[in-house]
Amino acid sequence: IAGITQAPTSQILAAGRRMTLRCTQDMRHNAMYWYRQDLGLGLRLIHYSNTAGTTGKGEVPDGYSVSRANTDDFPLTLASAVPSQTSVYFCASSSFSNQPQHFGDGTRLSIL
Amino acid sequence: SQQGEEDPQALSIQEGENATMNCSYKTSINNLQWYRQNSGRGLVHLILIRSNEREKHSGRLRVTLDTSKKSSSLLITASRAADTASYFCATENSGGSNYKLTFGKGTLLTVNP
Repeated sequence: IAGITQAPTSQILAAGRRMTLRCTQDMRHNAMYWYRQDLGLGLRLIHYSNTAGTTGKGEVPDGYSVSRANTDDFPLTLASAVPSQTSVYFCASSSFSNQPQHFGDGTRLSIL
Repeated sequence: SQQGEEDPQALSIQEGENATMNCSYKTSINNLQWYRQNSGRGLVHLILIRSNEREKHSGRLRVTLDTSKKSSSLLITASRAADTASYFCATENSGGSNYKLTFGKGTLLTVNP
């Protein structure tokens, strides 16, 4: 079934460690996004990419980096994890940046 | 910063009843979208309404948009237990070249069998 695959589904990580969340889509969508979802705060955009080779900062980019080497993959890296980055992370994609978004099922990340 | 604000935060109804959720936003938009999220899953797109549209239907869903009041409503008719989920509105703001969505905090709908 076509869609978005996120890995891992959950992770417990020690503070200070580096972590990369993986996101792959097989719909040949141009745009991809990373959100974090926190109780009481809803979804907030971390980084986005309108097309392969380009990225942009969202609402809460600090402490995170992304790359978009090809159309299908959009990894999110936490260079040095901190407890405030404990959250559920969702990757999404859309055919173009002004079209409805398709979401993965999320990565539940706990930083201790 | 949150653009959309859903109201109510939580809604509990009986199966067969209609459910209405509202969304208010602050700045001009290109379109407004509604998404559903089942517990432990990602968001699923339900319907998109453009700024020049006033009403759209999709099955049991009816969405209205009032740009003068900067508000939208999502009506689910003849609700089912399977409609239990969180519902989010998201706005694509007008102006600029970056078409990003800003999500509200959601309404938790519980449909009791």
